[in-house]
Amino acid sequence: RKEVEQDPGPFNVPEGATVAFNCTYSNSASQSFFWYRQDCRKEPKLLMSVYSSGNEDGRFTAQLNRASQYISLLIRDSKLSDSATYLCVVNRRDDKIIFGKGTRLHILP
Amino acid sequence: NAGVTQTPKFQVLKTGQSMTLQCAQDMNHEYMSWYRQDPGMGLRLIHYSVGAGITDQGEVPNGYNVSRSTTEDFPLRLLSAAPSQTSVYFCASTQTRSGNTIYFGEGSWLTVV
Repeated sequence: RKEVEQDPGPFNVPEGATVAFNCTYSNSASQSFFWYRQDCRKEPKLLMSVYSSGNEDGRFTAQLNRASQYISLLIRDSKLSDSATYLCVVNRRDDKIIFGKGTRLHILP
Repeated sequence: NAGVTQTPKFQVLKTGQSMTLQCAQDMNHEYMSWYRQDPGMGLRLIHYSVGAGITDQGEVPNGYNVSRSTTEDFPLRLLSAAPSQTSVYFCASTQTRSGNTIYFGEGSWLTVV
């Protein structure tokens, strides 16, 4: 079992829909959490950090549940430009930064 | 702003050849790392460094060497390339060990034939 697990994709959703991604991590020494976005044949880029209190950035909401070792990302009113692969990222206390395999999202017109 | 610079962007190697992927960052970041990305596998950590003179192994270190003689540079060496090392390689850096944005280079596409 991988240390950081994400929903298998791809997700194909119509424009304007709400889509949710889930991520679980198994290492209790994990201390900070992120969602990254990766476009085809490009490098990953930070989408948002994830905090226990939950955080929102426009149409994007991220949640962290440390007790359940679970991270989520919600995208509301999805746009065609949201089509990408979304990567769950965990930063451990031993300095290793571990990525999930990613979930591919296709927004359909 | 250069950020993280990786070279070369594309490379074809023959089995058994050696090469070095270069990575440099101009943000004075302590932490640098190398990942490989294969279809269906996501990004896997090869080696990382928390500062000049310090390196450590990640998830898939076999077949790769690194060094960190300066804060800015973190080269990745393939001593004897194998077809299994065909992949896209990303170098990354971040200011501290946690909680800060990770910046990536644009990637190096390596094919070993």
